[in-house]
Amino acid sequence: DAGVIQSPRHEVTEMGQEVTLRCKPISGHNSLFWYRQTMMRGLELLIYFNNNVPIDDSGMPEDRFSAKMPNASFSTLKIQPSEPRDSAVYFCASSFATGVGSDTQYFGPGTRLTVL
Amino acid sequence: SQQGEEDPQALSIQEGENATMNCSYKTSINNLQWYRQNSGRGLVHLILIRSNEREKHSGRLRVTLDTSKKSSSLLITASRAADTASYFCATAPYNTDKLIFGTGTRLQVFP
Repeated sequence: DAGVIQSPRHEVTEMGQEVTLRCKPISGHNSLFWYRQTMMRGLELLIYFNNNVPIDDSGMPEDRFSAKMPNASFSTLKIQPSEPRDSAVYFCASSFATGVGSDTQYFGPGTRLTVL
Repeated sequence: SQQGEEDPQALSIQEGENATMNCSYKTSINNLQWYRQNSGRGLVHLILIRSNEREKHSGRLRVTLDTSKKSSSLLITASRAADTASYFCATAPYNTDKLIFGTGTRLQVFP
């Protein structure tokens, strides 16, 4: 079975441009998570969905960030406009959640974003 | 703020030695998980221990959990150069599907 798929793997863009990151979770999983990892802040949860519904977006840094999950097999994280401080590795993860405590999460390979 | 704090931040050992990493957390949990991250890769799940368990084994991995002290340890026995990676603990609070990741321990195993 394919794991969590993320695209693109690398993205280099200029400040002010729109960036869209994509994720395909593992089939059958009902929860999807977006994380950001930097040296300074470590691994931060940005937002997570359960059954395609956003449950907790308290980690989204500001209005420039938005995430959608139109169906069970696809999610996007959009940054508009992008800024150099958004440079990081963005991970998507999925799991089969029961609502009483997270079970194993399966991570994608990440998207390395560089904003010049 | 992150719930899990790991200790030490970095650890260097020789092949064959054991490596012990510790994790402390702040609130009640449903379970605690350990993940490994190789450089430039995504995180990989290693082991999950539930709040009513005290010790768990998986191959060369041994995890302990002390809920009274809100702490956990990961022991890797007979380490190999391939164990070189960053190791993260992650706590799963009750009634939420979130995981709260710690700051990680960077392990270097020299051949």
